[in-house]
Amino acid sequence: EIVMTQFPASLSLSPGEGASLSCKSSHNISSNLAWHQQKPGQAPRLVIYGASTRATGVPARFGGSGSGTEFTLTISSPQSEDFGVYYCQQYNNWPISFGPGTKLGIK
Amino acid sequence: EVQLVESGGDLVQPGGSLRLSCATSGFTFSTHLMTWVRQAPGKGLEWVANIKEDGSDKYYVDSVKGRFTISRDNAQNSLSLQMNSLRVEDTAIYYCARLQTTSWCVDSWGQGTLVTVSS
Repeated sequence: EIVMTQFPASLSLSPGEGASLSCKSSHNISSNLAWHQQKPGQAPRLVIYGASTRATGVPARFGGSGSGTEFTLTISSPQSEDFGVYYCQQYNNWPISFGPGTKLGIK
Repeated sequence: EVQLVESGGDLVQPGGSLRLSCATSGFTFSTHLMTWVRQAPGKGLEWVANIKEDGSDKYYVDSVKGRFTISRDNAQNSLSLQMNSLRVEDTAIYYCARLQTTSWCVDSWGQGTLVTVSS
C-alpha cells in the first residue's frame, strides 16, 4: 500500500498571500495524484487531477505540479472561499490512498 | 450535473447492522467504478470499498472485510453498502464517490451520511 504524507499539517495565511502545500508518496506514482478540497461541514471536492490539471470550474489561481513522489499544490492569492483542508490522493496503485490533509486557515 | 445522494446513516449499537444507499443522476452510472470513502470525526479520508462497473469485482479495506458488502444496481443507478457487525470504530461520515472512467481518481463526491456506532 502506498502511504501519502502531507506538510505542513496546517498553514495560516492572510487573504492574498500565496500558499504552497506539499504531498509525498512512499512509492513512485507517476502523475497519478489528485488534490481534494474540503470545507468545514462539507464533502470533499476535486480540485486537481493528473498532478496538474484543474477540475471543471476550479479557478486558475489553483495550480499543481510534481511527478514521481513529490507534489505541490499552489494557490496564488487565496480567497476566503479557498480555506479548508486539502487532501492529496494517489490513484496509481490499488488501493487508492489519501494523505492526512493540510489545513489552510486565515491568519 | 452529477449528483450523488447518500442515505441510511443512523445511530446503531455495536454489533448492529445498517444499509447505506447512494442514488445517482446526471451521468452514465454503468460506466463508472464506484466507491465508498469514510471519514471518522475530526479525521482524514479512508477508502472503504469499491465495485467495478458491472459489479463483477469488489474490493474492501481489511478492517471491513467479511462485515461490509458493496453492491450496485445499474438499472436503478444506485450504490449500496450493507454494514454488519458494526464496531465503535466504524463511526464516520460515509461518502459515496465516483471514480473517473479512465483512472481511479475520485472525481465526484456525495454529501455524506453519518453512521454512529455507540451503546
